[in-house]
Amino acid sequence: GDSVTQMEGPVTLSEEAFLTINCTYTATGYPSLFWYVQYPGEGLQLLLKATKADDKGSNKGFEATYRKETTSFHLEKGSVQVSDSAVYFCAPLLFLHSEQLTFGSGTQLTVLP
Amino acid sequence: NAGVTQTPKFRILKIGQSMTLQCTQDMNHNYMYWYRQDPGMGLKLIYYSVGAGITDKGEVPNGYNVSRSTTEDFPLRLELAAPSQTSVYFCASTKGESEQYFGPGTRLTVT
Repeated sequence: GDSVTQMEGPVTLSEEAFLTINCTYTATGYPSLFWYVQYPGEGLQLLLKATKADDKGSNKGFEATYRKETTSFHLEKGSVQVSDSAVYFCAPLLFLHSEQLTFGSGTQLTVLP
Repeated sequence: NAGVTQTPKFRILKIGQSMTLQCTQDMNHNYMYWYRQDPGMGLKLIYYSVGAGITDKGEVPNGYNVSRSTTEDFPLRLELAAPSQTSVYFCASTKGESEQYFGPGTRLTVT
């Protein structure tokens, strides 16, 4: 069935390091794809999204490209900051009739100064 | 706009007690959702609603009930609380084909 697989954490990086968090999904169609971020003690908020193949979503220095061929939506940032420490969730829109997102397991990122 | 609001922020229940978690959104969104997030884990969908008067079960509905009498409100009812229901509960809403907006969460402990 439809599902999402996200790179397991935790991930610990030094400030200004390069970040990649992998996300792949299985789906019968071409779902919209989302990355959400959860800062400590808060609810989730949208980080970026892409709605069709080859689209690149970007926000706050983060980027992810919709790769139809590999059914992937990897999150990248060229230079992380301490303030990027959070949990990141990949979420394809797999159930269109209910607008239901399927969340990955989440990747905890800690950035050290 | 206040967005999605949830009350209470924290609650401690004894085993067997009942309570209602409130969720309200002021964005006129049709779709609303209840998730639970256990420590160090992702989100699991409890119930969802595609509009007033319509609700459906998600992945983990046992022990919970919902209602959707208005577009704005989507309360979650816990009957006979159990320790396994200790979690953080998030309510979310969307207008469709776009982002979900999350509330700040309710941290529930059942002892």
